[in-house]
Amino acid sequence: KAGVTQTPRYLIKTRGQQVTLSCSPISGHRSVSWYQQTPGQGLQFLFEYFSETQRNKGNFPGRFSGRQFSNSRSEMNVSTLELGDSALYLCASSSPEGGTSNTGELFFGEGSRLTVL
Amino acid sequence: ELKVEQNPLFLSMQEGKNYTIYCNYSTTSDRLYWYRQDPGKSLESLFVLLSNGAVKQEGRLMASLDTKARLSTLHITAAVHDLSATYFCAPENYQLIWGAGTKLIIKP
Repeated sequence: KAGVTQTPRYLIKTRGQQVTLSCSPISGHRSVSWYQQTPGQGLQFLFEYFSETQRNKGNFPGRFSGRQFSNSRSEMNVSTLELGDSALYLCASSSPEGGTSNTGELFFGEGSRLTVL
Repeated sequence: ELKVEQNPLFLSMQEGKNYTIYCNYSTTSDRLYWYRQDPGKSLESLFVLLSNGAVKQEGRLMASLDTKARLSTLHITAAVHDLSATYFCAPENYQLIWGAGTKLIIKP
């Protein structure tokens, strides 16, 4: 079973630009969460999508947005990039709702490392 | 507001020693998760603790959960160098809030 796939793995942008990151969850997983990881702030939750609906949102400005498609793939977008947006962006998927398999355990992708110059 | 505190945040220890990492959280949560992150890598799930009193063991690592005390522990027995990593705890089903992580360095 393929794991969570994130693309691109590395990217460099300049301030003011925008970026779109993609995440393909494990087959059958309908929940996708996004996290930002930085040395200073640690691991911070961005948002979670389930069946194309945003269920939870972290405390990030509106420049950070996301969406989920009918095939559960998800994208997140950051507009008007700032230096402080440089981070590792992690996507995670979790098992379907209901049933004994629903433990809430997250399966993470390798991440997209964004550098803003 | 949900807060998660891990301690210690940094731990350097010798191989063969035992130690415990603590995870305290501030609000009611019936579940808690432990993850491991190697340098430059992503996170991988270590333990899923789903109820009060849950205890899980994998090799030299053992995790437990006391929901009444809002405390989870990750115990390392006879540490080996391969366990060097950063360990994160996260309560709640949707893992909205994470601990800061405990960076563990095990010296040969």
